[in-house]
Amino acid sequence: RKEVEQDPGPFNVPEGATVAFNCTYSNSASQSFFWYRQDCRKEPKLLMSVYSSGNEDGRFTAQLNRASQYISLLIRDSKLSDSATYLCVVQTGANNLFFGTGTRLTVIP
Amino acid sequence: GAVVSQHPSWVICKSGTSVKIECRSLDFQATTMFWYRQFPKQSLMLMATSNEGSKATYEQGVEKDKFLINHASLTLSTLTVTSAHPEDSSFYICSAQGRGTGNTIYFGEGSWLTVV
Repeated sequence: RKEVEQDPGPFNVPEGATVAFNCTYSNSASQSFFWYRQDCRKEPKLLMSVYSSGNEDGRFTAQLNRASQYISLLIRDSKLSDSATYLCVVQTGANNLFFGTGTRLTVIP
Repeated sequence: GAVVSQHPSWVICKSGTSVKIECRSLDFQATTMFWYRQFPKQSLMLMATSNEGSKATYEQGVEKDKFLINHASLTLSTLTVTSAHPEDSSFYICSAQGRGTGNTIYFGEGSWLTVV
């Protein structure tokens, strides 16, 4: 079983739509959780860390469910500029970092 | 925010030659650096993890004699692809974590390697 599983998509949504991505992880001892955004041919950039209490940054909301071992990312009012691949990243211990395969989002005019 | 710089951004080399990629943390001390490879339309694949001053830990299936990693200082790690072959052509990215970054991992800009 993979450490981190993520639906690769693609998700094609119209502008203004709300879209949600989920990511599951297998190690219950995982400590830190992140969502990264990766544009084509570029490096991943931190979108937001994910905390147990959930966190929101503008149109983006991230949540962590430890009991079910998944994290989610919700994007409201999608913009064309949100088109990218969203990577779920789970860290277990200082040096153990696991990536999901990424979910490709395309926002359509 | 913390900055990680990677160089070169693009490199083309002949088959059989070696290529060195540098990864620098510009405004923090990177106690841990990670090296990844990403083939087109695939996710990042961790190659190795290096802690400053110690030997890198390689992931299964990654040849340590082919991909030489040096993390001699708290701000610099290098990846050398030795005797490169066309199948080594890929996007190589480093990331760093350390003092002052909390749990956040920052990525370099990536290096496109094409072996001809």
